[in-house]
Amino acid sequence: QKEVEQNSGPLSVPEGAIASLNCTYSDRGSQSFFWYRQYSGKSPELIMFIYSNGDKEDGRFTAQLNKASQYVSLLIRDSQPSDSATYLCAVDTGRRALTFGSGTRLQVQP
Amino acid sequence: GAVVSQHPSRVICKSGTSVKIECRSLDFQATTMFWYRQFPKKSLMLMATSNEGSKATYEQGVEKDKFLINHASLTLSTLTVTSAHPEDSSFYICSARTGGGELFFGEGSRLTVL
Repeated sequence: QKEVEQNSGPLSVPEGAIASLNCTYSDRGSQSFFWYRQYSGKSPELIMFIYSNGDKEDGRFTAQLNKASQYVSLLIRDSQPSDSATYLCAVDTGRRALTFGSGTRLQVQP
Repeated sequence: GAVVSQHPSRVICKSGTSVKIECRSLDFQATTMFWYRQFPKKSLMLMATSNEGSKATYEQGVEKDKFLINHASLTLSTLTVTSAHPEDSSFYICSARTGGGELFFGEGSRLTVL
């Protein structure tokens, strides 16, 4: 079992819709969770992070964490074509380096 | 916000030569930096953890003599790909964590070995 799992996609949503990206992790001791966006040929950029159970909102983005289910998600409201990218979930398991999922490719159709 | 800068962004070299990539934390001190490698359409692969003032910690399967890492100051880590071969062609990305725990990436360096 991979430590951090994501559906590779592509996830295709129409412009203006809500995109829902999911991530599960195996280490129950994981402490913090990060979402990154990576455009093709570019390095990942941090979108947001979450430490506590529940929701955390930042603009059009909402991260949701459920530690009991070992599940973290990212919602993107009012999806735009410019949101088309690969979204990486990363987990802090207590080692200094984060553990990354393989990413979900999102396509927002105009 | 915190910024990590990486240089060069692109490098093309002949097989057998060595290439050095620099990674700098611009507005914070990083005792630890991380070097990743990414092949096209693949996930990030952690290569090594760079520790200021001590030896780097390499992930299993990564040749320490091939990928030399030096972390001489709190703001600079370097990765040297020695005797590069075409199979070393890849996207190399460094990263660093702030005191608050956030991990930021440099812009990445695309290495092409001819």
